[in-house]
Amino acid sequence: DTEVTQTPKHLVMGMTNKKSLKCEQHMGHRAMYWYKQKAKKPPELMFVYSYEKLSINESVPSRFSPECPNSSLLNLHLHALQPEDSALYLCASSPSTTRGNQPQHFGDGTRLSIL
Amino acid sequence: GENVEQHPSTLSVQEGDSAVIKCTYSDSASNYFPWYKQELGKRPQLIIDIRSNVGEKKDQRIAVTLNKTAKHFSLHITETQPEDSAVYFCAAKKTSYDKVIFGPGTSLSVIP
Repeated sequence: DTEVTQTPKHLVMGMTNKKSLKCEQHMGHRAMYWYKQKAKKPPELMFVYSYEKLSINESVPSRFSPECPNSSLLNLHLHALQPEDSALYLCASSPSTTRGNQPQHFGDGTRLSIL
Repeated sequence: GENVEQHPSTLSVQEGDSAVIKCTYSDSASNYFPWYKQELGKRPQLIIDIRSNVGEKKDQRIAVTLNKTAKHFSLHITETQPEDSAVYFCAAKKTSYDKVIFGPGTSLSVIP
């Protein structure tokens, strides 16, 4: 059973649509992450939030907009995506980014298809 | 920046045999090395990790070894079972502020 919950599990959208991916954890973790994963490739970091503040943006295009409303929730707002953005989007969390290296726990992901 | 290489890219073993996956890293400042298992269509799952102050760590059939001098670390799975079939990613990380750098992955198939 995953302790990081992502919704929806699958999403199909057109290039002009606006949608949001949601991630929730109740482990008290203060660091949350968005990753993009293409088939047969490792996860690729997009954003890191530490204590609800954006700490890393890996030069992600502005059509991806992250939001961290509180310590348990992480959203990824999508707008005007391109077909190459089709991928598995993974959310992860870890206890913190300030108290030594700690393992990240992944959610099941949202499989996104752009038509 | 840090670079992690991983070999082999694919590995097939008979059930009951051992499997070994090897990784090398480039930045000697890396000090945390997690291993993730990802079954088809599922999330990456942490299976074991090791820190640079330890040379070996075991958890039942899984063990990881670390050679800091040579900058390589390995995953050993003994008595493999079909449910071990998955893609395995090694990774390296420096400080808690740095991102995890993943290797390209090894697709392990355990043949019954």
